[in-house]
Amino acid sequence: QKEVEQNSGPLSVPEGAIASLNCTYSDRGSQSFFWYRQYSGKSPELIMSIYSNGDKEDGRFTAQLNKASQYVSLLIRDSQPSDSATYLCAQGGSGGYQKVTFGTGTKLQVIP
Amino acid sequence: GAVVSQHPSRVICKSGTSVKIECRSLDFQATTMFWYRQFPKQSLMLMATSNEGSKATYEQGVEKDKFLINHASLTLSTLTVTSAHPEDSSFYICSARQEGHQRETQYFGPGTRLLVL
Repeated sequence: QKEVEQNSGPLSVPEGAIASLNCTYSDRGSQSFFWYRQYSGKSPELIMSIYSNGDKEDGRFTAQLNKASQYVSLLIRDSQPSDSATYLCAQGGSGGYQKVTFGTGTKLQVIP
Repeated sequence: GAVVSQHPSRVICKSGTSVKIECRSLDFQATTMFWYRQFPKQSLMLMATSNEGSKATYEQGVEKDKFLINHASLTLSTLTVTSAHPEDSSFYICSARQEGHQRETQYFGPGTRLLVL
């Protein structure tokens, strides 16, 4: 059973702080990992993808991957109220398994 | 990122009627598309995997005769909810898998909100 686990939250951070979202996964064979943002009532939007160990930065977002620990995280610097959303962690398939497996999401609240 | 569209964005229908939802990849070809359903305050639930030119693969508990999927081209998949009932009211979201340099990245459509009266 391929699983992706996230704390459902809510995670509350003050505006301007760093928000840290964490995720663990079970499929060691997966080579690709994703973070999606979903605003209430909207569909998920891809914000980051990461394929190798280490950090990947894109603007205020940094994704971190540690394959040995089967751990993926997303850091949001200078958090804004507009960052308030549910963040979905996902891992790509491996072998003949096509599907991306999603976590249940962490709700982030950025307090002005 | 790649663009995926869905139509309609919102539909209200009477119980017992059928509703067709279209999912299109606008700027890439997608051999694989996925259909999800999401109830309020719940997580995404994968319903089925749609493969171009072949039968869809349904997740456990999803009735294939009720949720008909057709993936007739590399840019279009359709989901038909047959004989819809109020319990089918939900947010239906498709995603398309883009292959190539970004591997199997999935891009989501904007979703279709279905209300069955």
